[in-house]
Amino acid sequence: NAGVTQTPKFQVLKTGQSMTLQCAQDMNHEYMSWYRQDPGMGLRLIHYSVGAGITDQGEVPNGYNVSRSTTEDFPLRLLSAAPSQTSVYFCASRRGPGTDTQYFGPGTRLTVL
Amino acid sequence: EDKVVQSPLSLVVHEGDTVTLNCSYEVTNFRSLLWYKQEKKAPTFLFMLTSSGIEKKSGRLSSILDKKELFSILNITATQTGDSAVYLCAPLSGTYKYIFGTGTRLKVLA
Repeated sequence: NAGVTQTPKFQVLKTGQSMTLQCAQDMNHEYMSWYRQDPGMGLRLIHYSVGAGITDQGEVPNGYNVSRSTTEDFPLRLLSAAPSQTSVYFCASRRGPGTDTQYFGPGTRLTVL
Repeated sequence: EDKVVQSPLSLVVHEGDTVTLNCSYEVTNFRSLLWYKQEKKAPTFLFMLTSSGIEKKSGRLSSILDKKELFSILNITATQTGDSAVYLCAPLSGTYKYIFGTGTRLKVLA
């Protein structure tokens, strides 16, 4: 199993550009989440999904969209990038409601100029 | 409002020392608490705790939860330079929402 994979590893955008961060898992996990990590702050939840076709907002959803058309994939879309979205983004997954252990992907470092 | 406080913020020790990292929390609908180790990349899972007073152990690392006093500790004995990392605790509020602390940065000197 590859676990949780994310692409790209690094990305630089200009203000106003849009892009999609990819996340995939091959563990057949129901639950998937996106977090951002900024210096001096804990990981903050952006959006999460509890299964294909079901998503919900987390703590900091503004400026981001998600969809979950398959169990494996959970892309995060930045609609119009802003410098405040410069961060490290982590995707995570866990099996489902009966298990609490969550596993993280390797992260994407995004810089918005 | 859900809150997690980790202490100390940072710690410098020498190899062989024992360290205790603290995590206090106030979350609604507490379900479990996870500990992670984060080196320069993604957090890696260490422990999940659900019951008070039951120690989880893995090698030189151990952790315990006190649900009455709302805290958890992570102990590392005989520290090694490879233990240098940021340690994160994350209580789970309800079914979906992990609340992450800002972490304790541990540096172990040879």
